[in-house]
Order: sequence, then structure tokens, then C-alpha cells
Amino acid sequence: KAGVTQTPRYLIKTRGQQVTLSCSPISGHRSVSWYQQTPGQGLQFLFEYFSETQRNKGNFPGRFSGRQFSNSRSEMNVSTLELGDSALYLCASSLLEGGNYGYTFGSGTRLTVV
Amino acid sequence: AQKITQTQPGMFVQEKEAVTLDCTYDTSDPSYGLFWYKQPSSGEMIFLIYQGSYDQQNATEGRYSLNFQKARKSANLVISASQLGDSAMYFCAMRGNTGGFKTIFGAGTRLFVKA
Repeated sequence: KAGVTQTPRYLIKTRGQQVTLSCSPISGHRSVSWYQQTPGQGLQFLFEYFSETQRNKGNFPGRFSGRQFSNSRSEMNVSTLELGDSALYLCASSLLEGGNYGYTFGSGTRLTVV
Repeated sequence: AQKITQTQPGMFVQEKEAVTLDCTYDTSDPSYGLFWYKQPSSGEMIFLIYQGSYDQQNATEGRYSLNFQKARKSANLVISASQLGDSAMYFCAMRGNTGGFKTIFGAGTRLFVKA
């Protein structure tokens, strides 16, 4: 079965621009989470969605937003990009919110802000 | 607040030997889950093993086992019979119930397996 698909894989943007990243979870998975990974900060939690509802939000500024659609696909948007937003953005899906279900991660979108 | 601590930035192990990767955590949730993930140099994160806070026995998955000591709030990963392909970053993670089911990750331990 298809894994978690993230598009695009690579992205180069200019400071001040905005960007939208997409994540298609494994079929049947209803929980989608987003993480920002950088060498200095490691894996930082951005959002968690379940059945189109944002269940949790990490400590990121309001420039970071997201949503989940009825087919469980999710998008995250970053407005007014800053150099520090350069990172690997990982999407992870899970069958349910809790329990012993580990995440299945996508390959990530590597965003470079210049 | 929840916190995961991995104190070993890097570890070396000889091929075919066992290695233990340390993880301590802090949470006020009465119920939580502990996870380990592997991230090879290719970048994908791979789920390895899960331990529930109320599980009486330590979790095992093939060559991976989780040494869970609840009173000490530790959840160390033991890899037996290390292989060259085990060289990767390893992340300990925790999911609690406070404020939803978000999962937080430790800083990771880079494991190098020597031939």
C-alpha cells in the first residue's frame, strides 16, 4: 500500500514569500501530524489533526498554519518566510490518535529560504 | 510539561555486539506511550517499537527491545547483534494524553556500527 506522500520534495523560496506543503496520509489513517526538523532544534512539533480538527499546536508563530481535508489529506502553510524557516518538514500519519500506533512518516519536504 | 532526554549524542558499537541507547522522560500524564524511531542517512523516519505505560512486560520487536523502568522514568532501547545497517539516528518519543495526543521527540542519538 502507498505510504505517506509529501509534495514537493524540495522547495526554494525567497524571504517574505509564502509556501504551502502537502501531505497525503496512508489510506485509512485519520491522524496527521507535522514536524519541523533542523540540525539545531531537532524535531519540533507543529500541528496534529484528526478528522479535520486541529487537536494540538506547537509553539510556533501564527505564520505557521495548517488544515486537514475530509479525505484526511493535510496542508501546512507558512507565510512571510524567514531564513530560519529553512528546514525539513515531516508529515506523519497514524491510524488513530492514541493507542500503540506509531507514526508512519513521509520523506519530508526540504524547504530552503534564501 | 512533557520532556524527553537523550543524553548520548553519539555511540559506537562493534558489529554483532549489543548496544543500549538511553532515554529518560518526564510527564505528569498517568497514561502515556513511549516510542523509538530510526532515521537512516536517507532521511525517512522508521517506527521501531512501542511501550505503553501500563504494560507489565518490556516490549520486544525482533532485535529491538525496550528496557522500561517506570519508577526511573527511563525507556532505553537495546539493539542486539548490531548490524552495519543499524547505523542511523535514533529518536525516543513520548505521546501523552494531556492536551491531546501529540508526540514529542528527544534530540536523538547517532549510532555508528563498526565492522
